[in-house]
Amino acid sequence: QVQLVQSGAEVKQPGASVTVSCKASGYAFRTYDINWVRQAPGQGLEWMGWVSPDSGNTGYAQKFQGRVTMTRSTSTNTAYMEVTSLRSDDTAVYYCARGLIILGAADAFDIWGQGTLVTVSS
Amino acid sequence: DVQMTQSPSSLSASVGDRVTITCRSSQVISTYLAWYQQKPGKVPKLLIYSASTLQSGVPTRFSGSGSGTDFTLTISSLQPEDVGTYYCQNHNSAPLSFGGGTKVEIK
Repeated sequence: QVQLVQSGAEVKQPGASVTVSCKASGYAFRTYDINWVRQAPGQGLEWMGWVSPDSGNTGYAQKFQGRVTMTRSTSTNTAYMEVTSLRSDDTAVYYCARGLIILGAADAFDIWGQGTLVTVSS
Repeated sequence: DVQMTQSPSSLSASVGDRVTITCRSSQVISTYLAWYQQKPGKVPKLLIYSASTLQSGVPTRFSGSGSGTDFTLTISSLQPEDVGTYYCQNHNSAPLSFGGGTKVEIK
């Protein structure tokens, strides 16, 4: 079945970096963009950016420019998101989500990974 | 950037009630508005996109309407399994953005 499977929970110190992976299966990986969305404890959803598995092109929310890098491997059907210079307010569940192809529009997200909890604490 | 504002932030209704959630965008986004349901401790689920297109497998008691800047999600007959938080999302163009959420409870 169509699914996105993310890497496991991480605990990091402030200032460190973290990389979360998102492995796709059950569909043509190159066809659909992968977006990343985070959710701080008890808070709402926050869109971070996207990566095109086909071209490798990316787009980031301005808030994360320079601190977040999204990449992909077409050989393993996996998308990656690296966040550097971690702060305590980066503590959140990070989701990858597949972009539904909608003519003339940007992505809605039809398939979500299970989420990866990243805890930033000294 | 487009800001999304949902109301109410929470509501409590009885089983069988008709429930309406509204979402307003700070700029015109045509009909490029999606709705998600997030049950407690679970992953968000796409309910509706392009304002009114029901995602495959979603019960028909859910419906969406609106265009421009004002949008509505309606649950025609609230069921116990509909408890959770509902988010709207602008999918007109990047940067994408979500509303703050509406928590739905059973009275």
